Amino acid sequence: SQQGEEDPQALSIQEGENATMNCSYKTSINNLQWYRQNSGRGLVHLILIRSNEREKHSGRLRVTLDTSKKSSSLLITASRAADTASYFCATAYLNTDKLIFGTGTRLQVFP
Amino acid sequence: EPEVTQTPSHQVTQMGQEVILRCVPISNHLYFYWYRQILGQKVEFLVSFYNNEISEKSEIFDDQFSVERPDGSNFTLKIRSTKLEDSAMYFCARQDSVRYGYTFGSGTRLTVV
Repeated sequence: SQQGEEDPQALSIQEGENATMNCSYKTSINNLQWYRQNSGRGLVHLILIRSNEREKHSGRLRVTLDTSKKSSSLLITASRAADTASYFCATAYLNTDKLIFGTGTRLQVFP
Repeated sequence: EPEVTQTPSHQVTQMGQEVILRCVPISNHLYFYWYRQILGQKVEFLVSFYNNEISEKSEIFDDQFSVERPDGSNFTLKIRSTKLEDSAMYFCARQDSVRYGYTFGSGTRLTVV
């Protein structure tokens, strides 16, 4: 299976703390993307990192990619209650235009 | 770039009925996709549509499913004879660029009873 796995499945933290989510995948990729989903709502694109990039930042988000380990991490710094959502990684594999989504991490940030 | 809007937001249908899910408006992008998410599960790829043709489809996308771009701005997913297991959230998406990822619609929650 090409599908990615994420850990942890669920994460609960206090406001102001950092949240780290991890994603692993199976085969070579073009890029890896992170999405956010509020309960019962649509998917919002957060950040894309290409296979030749190792780290990328966007505001309070930091994404790393280790192609040798076939893994990525998403770090949310100084978390807020509004960051409460599910976070999914999605990989764009070579020779295909579809995204393969991971299992997701449910993040709960307590005020 | 305009948002991707899906209609209806929620549809309840009887098993065996046909449903059409719509994705509007569509700008001048070439790549469109349908994904679905069964409640509590991961997002699954259904089909990709490039230059008015299906470019790739998953095992889920069997003969009961079809996609069309009936005019320049609408993109539809039709399920001919719905089953209970078709109950899910269906998302359409466009690829803005390889650099910037996808824009997903707000989704249609399909409930088959």
